[in-house]
Order: sequence, then structure tokens, then C-alpha cells
Amino acid sequence: DAMVIQNPRYQVTQFGKPVTLSCSQTLNHNVMYWYQQKSSQAPKLLFHYYDKDFNNEADTPDNFQSRRPNTSFCFLDIRSPGLGDAAMYLCATSPGGDGDTQYFGPGTRLTVL
Amino acid sequence: QKEVEQNSGPLSVPEGAIASLNCTYSDRGSQSFFWYRQYSGKSPELIMFIYSNGDKEDGRFTAQLNKASQYVSLLIRDSQPSDSATYLCAVMSGDMRFGAGTRLTVKP
Repeated sequence: DAMVIQNPRYQVTQFGKPVTLSCSQTLNHNVMYWYQQKSSQAPKLLFHYYDKDFNNEADTPDNFQSRRPNTSFCFLDIRSPGLGDAAMYLCATSPGGDGDTQYFGPGTRLTVL
Repeated sequence: QKEVEQNSGPLSVPEGAIASLNCTYSDRGSQSFFWYRQYSGKSPELIMFIYSNGDKEDGRFTAQLNKASQYVSLLIRDSQPSDSATYLCAVMSGDMRFGAGTRLTVKP
């Protein structure tokens, strides 16, 4: 089945210790997104890639970086996690062009100790 | 700021009733509208999308869009306990903007 996969599903890190979250997709979609969602809040877009073109939201902290080495994979790097970065991190994809429906992976729950 | 507003709830309905979920948005130029269901601790799951004014039905779900009033709603007929979740409204305004969601509880 075509799908969006995120690894790990749960990640525990220490304050200030870098962490990388992974997303892969078999949908062959052009666009990949990273969202941060905290409890009872709307998902907040951090950045997205349209093919290899990187688009950063203006209010995304510099502590967050992303890489998309190929069509299928996208990574979220948090360079120095703080307690406020504990959240669910959601990866989503969309076809691009006229196709703007977004499909989400299962998410990675990040805990910062 | 392009806003998407939803009543946070909780909205409680008895099993078999119609649940009505509402959403308003601020960007009059928005073209695409989506409803996602999110169970606690899980990721959002697409239920429906709607692009044109009027109603769109899919099984027990009906999305309604009124662009003049900047209003989109989701009706769930014959509500089931398994429908208990948070429902996110999302609006494409350049980027996808999400509401914070309405928590729905369907009581047996």
C-alpha cells in the first residue's frame, strides 16, 4: 500500500542533544511537509519541500533544519532540543500542482528530558 | 494572519444523532477546504475535501461550503461512538492552515 512512514514513532532525547526524525513516502508525491503539533493545538507548519525547493516558514526557529536527499525521504533535524520542543511531529505529503490534498504519516512523539 | 477558527468543544451527541461541526476562515481567496479526523495520540486522517459552494456527501459525512460567508461545516449522520475524535478543519490559503479542532464525543 502506498503510504507515508515516520520513524521512530516515539523518540526520547535529552535537553540539548541533537535528534533526527525520519519520513519516507511511497506515494511519489512532489511535496513533503513537516508540522509540529502540541496538545490541543492546530498542527503548525515548520517547512516544506516542493521537489528540491525548500520553503521555510518565517517563524520556524533556526534550531529546526530539514533535508530531502531524494523524492522518497525527508528528515527533520532538531539541533538543540529544548523542553518546549516536546510535541508530535507530523510528516505529510501532497502531489503538488493542482493536487493539494495532504496525507499524513503516523507522527513521531518527541519527549525532551 | 490567515485564521481558521473552530469551536474547541467538546461537542457531545448521542449515538445515532447528527453531529454538526463548524469552521470559519479569514482568507476570502481560499480555494480548497478539508476535514481531517484525529484520534487522541494519532495523526490526522483525511475525511473529505470540498472545493465548490454547496454540499458534498460521502457516506455518513456531508461537507458544506459557503464561500460568501467564509464558512465550512461537516455533518456526521448516524453518529457512532467510533466517531469520537477531534475534527480538524483545514483551508488552503497558499499554505494549508489548520484550525485547532473540535473534540466530538458520541455517547452510546
